[in-house]
Amino acid sequence: AQSVTQLDSQVPVFEEAPVELRCNYSSSVSVYLFWYVQYPNQGLQLLLKYLSGSTLVESINGFEAEFNKSQTSFHLRKPSVHISDTAEYFCAVKGSGYSTLTFGKGTMLLVSP
Amino acid sequence: EAEVAQSPRYKITEKSQAVAFWCDPISGHATLYWYRQILGQGPELLVQFQDESVVDDSQLPKDRFSAERLKGVDSTLKIQPAELGDSAMYLCASSLELSMGTEAFFGQGTRLTVV
Repeated sequence: AQSVTQLDSQVPVFEEAPVELRCNYSSSVSVYLFWYVQYPNQGLQLLLKYLSGSTLVESINGFEAEFNKSQTSFHLRKPSVHISDTAEYFCAVKGSGYSTLTFGKGTMLLVSP
Repeated sequence: EAEVAQSPRYKITEKSQAVAFWCDPISGHATLYWYRQILGQGPELLVQFQDESVVDDSQLPKDRFSAERLKGVDSTLKIQPAELGDSAMYLCASSLELSMGTEAFFGQGTRLTVV
């Protein structure tokens, strides 16, 4: 079985400040890792993903995440947030082979001016 | 750009009534997922298809929920009878192939309110 833990249910931050959203996973097999973003009353949109290769992955809007196998983590970071980054962020894990895509409970990022 | 289509977007139903949701995945995607998301929580898998076959329905409350993907393309999720606790967002997603690490693409969801 696999699971995802997002330790922070809510992260308040001021505009232009840096932010880190934490994600830890457990799995008995090798994994693929994802961060999704959800705006109110919308579906989930893929932000970035780790499949293999470089452990540091980046999105087009300035977010990055680093896969750390020894610490089983995939934390999401952004050096300077904008008001428009306010949303719910979900970390997800999928094991290799025919395993399902499992989500964490989400972290609400609240950016204020 | 290809999208996962879901309908309806919003549904209000009385408890004990039947309700159905429809999903049309991205063309060519073999894997289809139905998730339930209760307000303030992460999506929880209800059922997962590979083509027309159910791969995982261990979390589907089979006494009242059913799902089908008869031709391996679009899918229907049904609840009968609906209960107050079924109020949630129902999300459909699809991906190219289950065994690979390809990402899942989500529809806009159906917001169900049971009164």
